[in-house]
Amino acid sequence: AQKITQTQPGMFVQEKEAVTLDCTYDTSDPSYGLFWYKQPSSGEMIFLIYQGSYDQQNATEGRYSLNFQKARKSANLVISASQLGDSAMYFCAMREEGGGADGLTFGKGTHLIIQP
Amino acid sequence: SAVISQKPSRDICQRGTSLTIQCQVDSQVTMMFWYRQQPGQSLTLIATANQGSEATYESGFVIDKFPISRPNLTFSTLTVSNMSPEDSSIYLCSVVWLNTEAFFGQGTRLTVV
Repeated sequence: AQKITQTQPGMFVQEKEAVTLDCTYDTSDPSYGLFWYKQPSSGEMIFLIYQGSYDQQNATEGRYSLNFQKARKSANLVISASQLGDSAMYFCAMREEGGGADGLTFGKGTHLIIQP
Repeated sequence: SAVISQKPSRDICQRGTSLTIQCQVDSQVTMMFWYRQQPGQSLTLIATANQGSEATYESGFVIDKFPISRPNLTFSTLTVSNMSPEDSSIYLCSVVWLNTEAFFGQGTRLTVV
């Protein structure tokens, strides 16, 4: 079974609208972290936001917020007031922290295109 | 945060040759990670580079094909050996910072011809 599922291969959104990118995860580890990344066409991986499994509040970073629903194993990224520069691939990733040494497991990504 | 310098940024290599990718971090980190991103795909973890011990490889990746060095807490190399066109990918190094952030190098875009 996939550990990270992103069900939206592509999205078109009008500029200035809010965007929600879906991410569900699967783990039996009680201690884990969820990450979101932006990858523009240049290929760099830009860290956006982190949510820990024990965090009581949803993470926020500027225009980015994470809608964390632990019981549903959901960690959707919300981008408020979208801009043309937000057009990129977005990846959700998880790090299971129980083992202490694991890297990240990534979803397949969502290609977001912001239209003027 | 941690700043990661990775080089080369891109290369075109002949099949059967090897390429070594370098990753330098501006802070000491316990673990460094190497990922592969095949064209149009997501990132896949190759291995964890541990300082002072052998790298830990994920299923499907072997040391003979992807030897890794980790001579100190700020530097690591990944070698792609005996390359074939199927090895054409972006290779990225990464570090986890304070368990709450994970940063990536700029990536190495490898084309094997």
